[in-house]
Amino acid sequence: GNSVTQMEGPVTLSEEAFLTINCTYTATGYPSLFWYVQYPGEGLQLLLKATKADDKGSNKGFEATYRKETTSFHLEKGSVQVSDSAVYFCALRGDQGAQKLVFGQGTRLTINP
Amino acid sequence: DGGITQSPKYLFRKEGQNVTLSCEQNLNHDAMYWYRQDPGQGLRLIYYSQIVNDFQKGDIAEGYSVSREKKESFPLTVTSAQKNPTAFYLCASAAVSNQPQHFGDGTRLSIL
Repeated sequence: GNSVTQMEGPVTLSEEAFLTINCTYTATGYPSLFWYVQYPGEGLQLLLKATKADDKGSNKGFEATYRKETTSFHLEKGSVQVSDSAVYFCALRGDQGAQKLVFGQGTRLTINP
Repeated sequence: DGGITQSPKYLFRKEGQNVTLSCEQNLNHDAMYWYRQDPGQGLRLIYYSQIVNDFQKGDIAEGYSVSREKKESFPLTVTSAQKNPTAFYLCASAAVSNQPQHFGDGTRLSIL
């Protein structure tokens, strides 16, 4: 079945550092890929998405490129801020059947001033 | 503003009790979902519904039940058969199943 593997956390960085959170997936067909962010005590918010190979999703300075050859969708940001502290989830949606979302285990990110 | 409302934010259950978590959306979305989140883990799908009066089991449906009598409402009942109900429960909706899902703020369920 479909699955998502994320870089284990927690990740702690200083403000203005470069961020990479790795995400790889296993899926048949042509899934869509997503990054969601969860702030403490809240639900998930869609951060960015990509629906086909080589697409780049971007939002709020975050970027991720859908790499079919390496089955990856790594999240990057050039200069993180304290307000980026949250838990980040990589997810995929298959292109068959009910098209359910499958989530990675989440990566907790803490940014220190 | 359109969105998804989950209530209550915190819920406590005694052993042997059933409890119902509310999820209401005013986004006019057809598809609705319930997920369970445990510490340090990703979200796991409990039930989903793609249309009114129809729903399917997700990956961890045992001990849970749902109904979808109205488009905007998808309540989840945690029954006494669920042996480890303490978790954070998230409801989501999507216009149709191939569109991005929007999430509520969750309900945290604890056992007294």
